[in-house]
Amino acid sequence: GEDVEQSLFLSVREGDSSVINCTYTDSSSTYLYWYKQEPGAGLQLLTYIFSNMDMKQDQRLTVLLNKKDKHLSLRIADTQTGDSAIYFCAESSYSGGGADGLTFGKGTHLIIQP
Amino acid sequence: DSGVTQTPKHLITATGQRVTLRCSPRSGDLSVYWYQQSLDQGLQFLIHYYNGEERAKGNILERFSAQQFPDLHSELNLSSLELGDSALYFCASSPRPGTGNYGYTFGSGTRLTVV
Repeated sequence: GEDVEQSLFLSVREGDSSVINCTYTDSSSTYLYWYKQEPGAGLQLLTYIFSNMDMKQDQRLTVLLNKKDKHLSLRIADTQTGDSAIYFCAESSYSGGGADGLTFGKGTHLIIQP
Repeated sequence: DSGVTQTPKHLITATGQRVTLRCSPRSGDLSVYWYQQSLDQGLQFLIHYYNGEERAKGNILERFSAQQFPDLHSELNLSSLELGDSALYFCASSPRPGTGNYGYTFGSGTRLTVV
């Protein structure tokens, strides 16, 4: 079955860039997503990228996709204390007119050091 | 506010009982997805409904069932509850095909505790 892998923790200094990595196995993945979850809160959609794109930029966020290696990354520029959260990578594929649901990684805890 | 409404926010119940979780999708969205988040299993896709019809099933137990009503709200029914069913249950909705928007919007979740 499909699998999405992420490292569990990432620690960065405030003001530095954070790079969160993800690998996936499903070659039929159509869209790849990044979600943010703060303690006690729901999942906030940060951005998503179509599988035929290499890069997407949205303000402080840059997503890079290497489809050949099935590798996705999320770069957060100028990391702030408010970026402290769990970041989930997810993939979806579409078939038969509807999405089959998202497959999530276990999430990366982003820890910000002052 | 994401536009996806889930009730209740918290639920405490005893083993063997049955509960119903409710979700209203964002205005205009026809799809509703249910997910379970637990410490050991992470986020697991349970089931997808589109405009009242079941479209896809994930890791949903036979003790669990769902439906989507004509007004597009959805209910997830969990029966014969076990301690291991304690988790956060999320609902998400997505825009209808053809809008060019493929984002899934999640509600704030229902925290179920089985004692």
